[in-house]
Amino acid sequence: AQKITQTQPGMFVQEKEAVTLDCTYDTSDQSYGLFWYKQPSSGEMIFLIYQGSYDEQNATEGRYSLNFQKARKSANLVISASQLGDSAMYFCAMREGSGRSGYSTLTFGKGTMLLVSP
Amino acid sequence: DSGVTQTPKHLITATGQRVTLRCSPRSGDLSVYWYQQSLDQGLQFLIQYYNGEERAKGNILERFSAQQFPDLHSELNLSSLELGDSALYFCASSVSLKWGYTFGSGTRLTVV
Repeated sequence: AQKITQTQPGMFVQEKEAVTLDCTYDTSDQSYGLFWYKQPSSGEMIFLIYQGSYDEQNATEGRYSLNFQKARKSANLVISASQLGDSAMYFCAMREGSGRSGYSTLTFGKGTMLLVSP
Repeated sequence: DSGVTQTPKHLITATGQRVTLRCSPRSGDLSVYWYQQSLDQGLQFLIQYYNGEERAKGNILERFSAQQFPDLHSELNLSSLELGDSALYFCASSVSLKWGYTFGSGTRLTVV
């Protein structure tokens, strides 16, 4: 089974509207972390937001929020008030492993291409 | 500038050759991760080093090897290159697992 599943290959949204990018994950670890990254056409990977498995509140970073539903194993990214510059590939990722030992792996989904139109 | 430096940015080489990709992590970050991004495989984790020691291994081919030096910079060596090795290779570093992995701008390898 895939560890990270992003079921939307592409999404379209109009400027100023909100959009939700879906992500489900699979792990047997009790302690894990969920990340969202943005990759614009220039290729760099930009960290957007983080949610720890023990965090009770949903993470927020400016216009980005993470809708974390632990029982459903989902970690959807919500972008409010979309901007043209939000057009990019978005990756959901999960960190497993123990920070104490220095061991960790970050597994990525296949990504969702978001296009924001004027 | 993310603080993670990768060189070179672009590399074109022939099949059968060997190349070395270099990564300098952010100051203070002990962990370095290598990833390969290709169109068909997506982002694949290759290997992790922590303070000079290998800590985790992913889908890294036997033709590939890596190391992390005492100054914490890391090198990824790719040998007997094949056309299918053409990809974007990322290095990432982290100091705290909570705050994410900071990625370098990547090395785009083209094997011809």
